[in-house]
Amino acid sequence: AQSVTQPDIHITVSEGASLELRCNYSYGATPYLFWYVQSPGQGLQLLLKYFSGDTLVQGIKGFEAEFKRSQSSFNLRKPSVHWSDAAEYFCAVGALTGNMLTFGGGTRLMVKP
Amino acid sequence: DAGVIQSPRHEVTEMGQEVTLRCKPISGHDYLFWYRQTMMRGLELLIYFNNNVPIDDSGMPEDRFSAKMPNASFSTLKIQPSEPRDSAVYFCASSLRAGYNSPLHFGNGTRLTVT
Repeated sequence: AQSVTQPDIHITVSEGASLELRCNYSYGATPYLFWYVQSPGQGLQLLLKYFSGDTLVQGIKGFEAEFKRSQSSFNLRKPSVHWSDAAEYFCAVGALTGNMLTFGGGTRLMVKP
Repeated sequence: DAGVIQSPRHEVTEMGQEVTLRCKPISGHDYLFWYRQTMMRGLELLIYFNNNVPIDDSGMPEDRFSAKMPNASFSTLKIQPSEPRDSAVYFCASSLRAGYNSPLHFGNGTRLTVT
């Protein structure tokens, strides 16, 4: 069975600083990997996804993530954080077949002015 | 495109009462998912439907929970009787077709409080 770990429950960064949110997955085959963002009082929105090919994927809102098979990681990055990026971020993994995503516990990002 | 619409946004009820949560998926989407979000357990998939047919309900916690999709534009999640531990945010999501190339579109959730 697949699983996802997001080691950081809370992260605080200053506006304009760079950001990296960690995600580690466990899955026996090549995973399908996703990052979602949840703003307060709202549902989740897809930021980016990795299926195959280039291990560095670009997403919306200036986010990118890098798939590292050797480390079983799919960390999310942004070079310069904006105050509007404050939200909760979820990493998710999907099996080769089916439609069932397994989500990590989430990382809450706070942005200092 | 109005997105996935859930109602009500908030529900407060007493233990033992029946609770019904409603979802209208995006028109044309073949898949509908119900998730539950709690601090302790994070996001859990409860059940999902394909073309109105339940495909996997292994995440439904107990027989007190039931979900239906009588037509392509409406689904309900019912809890009867409700218990305080059912307090959570319940999300509905839909996707256009099978596979991960079709992203999930989430509603804004229903925050359920059972006292």
